[in-house]
Amino acid sequence: TQLLEQSPQFLSIQEGENLTVYCNSSSVFSSLQWYRQEPGEGPVLLVTVVTGGEVKKLKRLTFQFGDARKDSSLHITAAQPGDTGLYLCAGVGSNDYKLSFGAGTTVTVRA
Amino acid sequence: EAGVAQSPRYKIIEKRQSVAFWCNPISGHATLYWYQQILGQGPKLLIQFQNNGVVDDSQLPKDRFSAERLKGVDSTLKIQPAKLEDSAVYLCASSLEGTPSTPLHFGNGTRLTVT
Repeated sequence: TQLLEQSPQFLSIQEGENLTVYCNSSSVFSSLQWYRQEPGEGPVLLVTVVTGGEVKKLKRLTFQFGDARKDSSLHITAAQPGDTGLYLCAGVGSNDYKLSFGAGTTVTVRA
Repeated sequence: EAGVAQSPRYKIIEKRQSVAFWCNPISGHATLYWYQQILGQGPKLLIQFQNNGVVDDSQLPKDRFSAERLKGVDSTLKIQPAKLEDSAVYLCASSLEGTPSTPLHFGNGTRLTVT
């Protein structure tokens, strides 16, 4: 099982500000997924990245997969209160081909 | 399409009691997962089913946890006897295929409190 470290653990910002959260590991992943989980609900998939160096955009969210496929970042531009939630990264190990989740970053966007 | 259904939403029991959770996956999804999410942590896989067969139960505490998916559709997860450290949200997820890179569709979970 791969260890994925997410940082920061908590992030509170004002509406309109930008934010970046990180997902790091010493292991190489064949693919990496980002989920958002709102209170009382299950995680919802946002994106899957597969290729090292890949950048994907989803409206105001930009996802990047590291060149070595060991890390990833999520950048939100002009955050809105609707972006509030727990952001989880999950990686598929290139050796054991199992999906492991990080502990998540709790993002709060204040109106 | 209807999402993954779980019940109950909340359950409070005393330690050493037993409890069962139910999950109905998205229609047509062959793979079903049970995850445990302790407060402040990410989901941890307990068991994965492909149709009615177990694919991975390596992290399931088999002395107290059991799960079944008899007809390859609905699934139940049971804990007997419960311990304080079992307090968590139990998430059920399903996917069309069983490959790890296939997106998971989660239910809203059952929040278990063991007192």
